[in-house]
Amino acid sequence: GENVEQHPSTLSVQEGDSAVIKCTYSDSASNYFPWYKQELGKRPQLIIDIRSNVGEKKDQRIAVTLNKTAKHFSLHITETQPEDSAVYFCAVRRGYSTLTFGKGTMLLVSP
Amino acid sequence: KAGVTQTPRYLIKTRGQQVTLSCSPISGHRSVSWYQQTPGQGLQFLFEYFSETQRNKGNFPGRFSGRQFSNSRSEMNVSTLELGDSALYLCASSSGTFDTDTQYFGPGTRLTVL
Repeated sequence: GENVEQHPSTLSVQEGDSAVIKCTYSDSASNYFPWYKQELGKRPQLIIDIRSNVGEKKDQRIAVTLNKTAKHFSLHITETQPEDSAVYFCAVRRGYSTLTFGKGTMLLVSP
Repeated sequence: KAGVTQTPRYLIKTRGQQVTLSCSPISGHRSVSWYQQTPGQGLQFLFEYFSETQRNKGNFPGRFSGRQFSNSRSEMNVSTLELGDSALYLCASSSGTFDTDTQYFGPGTRLTVL
């Protein structure tokens, strides 16, 4: 089955810095790559996703890049703010199979 | 539209008991997926139901089962509870008709097994 590795497991940055989280996957046929943010005690919420026919997608301070050849994709957050502090999960899906999640990255943004 | 809802939000059970959790998807969504979330293992997939049929299944023992009703509401059941079943159980709904559907999560049911 699909294997998703997510790094780093924890990331501490100063407010205003950029943060980058990277995920690698094993199934070259995977075609859907969402990122979820989960604040403490709350449900995971989709923040951005990308399909396999696109190399990059941006939404304000958040961007995702996909390298299908290397089988990795990354989440980029610019101008981080304390409210960005949360656990971020990447996920991978092939067709109508299940979403396979990475183990998560705890991002801490210090004022 | 109302979001995904789950009931109950909290449960305390003892070993050996069984439990049933409920999930109501977003109106119009036909797919419901269930996940177990624990600090050590992250989000692990249990099963997915689409139009009352199990479409995908994760690697959990047969003590974990589910079903989906004609109104797309779904239930999962865990029999003969073990201490290790303590976790946050999340369901997520999507339309189920596109392979790049967004999955929307419910707030979860926190199960504690004593």
